[in-house]
Amino acid sequence: AQSVTQLDSQVPVFEEAPVELRCNYSSSVSVYLFWYVQYPNQGLQLLLKYLSGSTLVKGINGFEAEFNKSQTSFHLRKPSVHISDTAEYFCAVSRFVQGAQKLVFGQGTRLTINP
Amino acid sequence: DVKVTQSSRYLVKRTGEKVFLECVQDMDHENMFWYRQDPGLGLRLIYFSYDVKMKEKGDIPEGYSVSREKKERFSLILESASTNQTSMYLCASVEGLAGGWPETQYFGPGTRLLVL
Repeated sequence: AQSVTQLDSQVPVFEEAPVELRCNYSSSVSVYLFWYVQYPNQGLQLLLKYLSGSTLVKGINGFEAEFNKSQTSFHLRKPSVHISDTAEYFCAVSRFVQGAQKLVFGQGTRLTINP
Repeated sequence: DVKVTQSSRYLVKRTGEKVFLECVQDMDHENMFWYRQDPGLGLRLIYFSYDVKMKEKGDIPEGYSVSREKKERFSLILESASTNQTSMYLCASVEGLAGGWPETQYFGPGTRLLVL
């Protein structure tokens, strides 16, 4: 069975500092990985996804993630955060059931940016 | 832009009431999903539908049912609401398989349900 673990429930950082949000997955089949962001009082929107090819994936708002098969990780990074990055971030792995793509989500990491 | 709308942002219901949560998408997507979101647990799949009138149980279907009579609309039903169903409910939609690659799921803004 596929599963996702986000190692930190909360990450506080100062504005303009770098940040890394950690995600580890377990899967016995081909892996498709996603990071979604949820801003306060909103639904989720896609930040980036890894399907195949280059292990370094670039997303929106300056975020990037690196797929590491040997460490079964897909950590999210940003070199310099802004107040507007305050949100909850979810890592997810995809699986197909009955022809439909289902996502299995991690527990979420709340990123708080302090001025 | 893809738009997924949910009928209510906030709902307050009493224990035992029948509750309907509605979700509509405007992109002709084949697959639709209902999740609940709880602190520390992330999103958990309740039900999904891969076609009109077709539905499959997700990971936590107990206490819920769904209806999909039209392609654009997917309803979540709480037959008899209980306090442990107090949660944020999120609807999502996605196109069917495109060459076998996973597509982006698009989410609605969520319905925060309080059951008293």
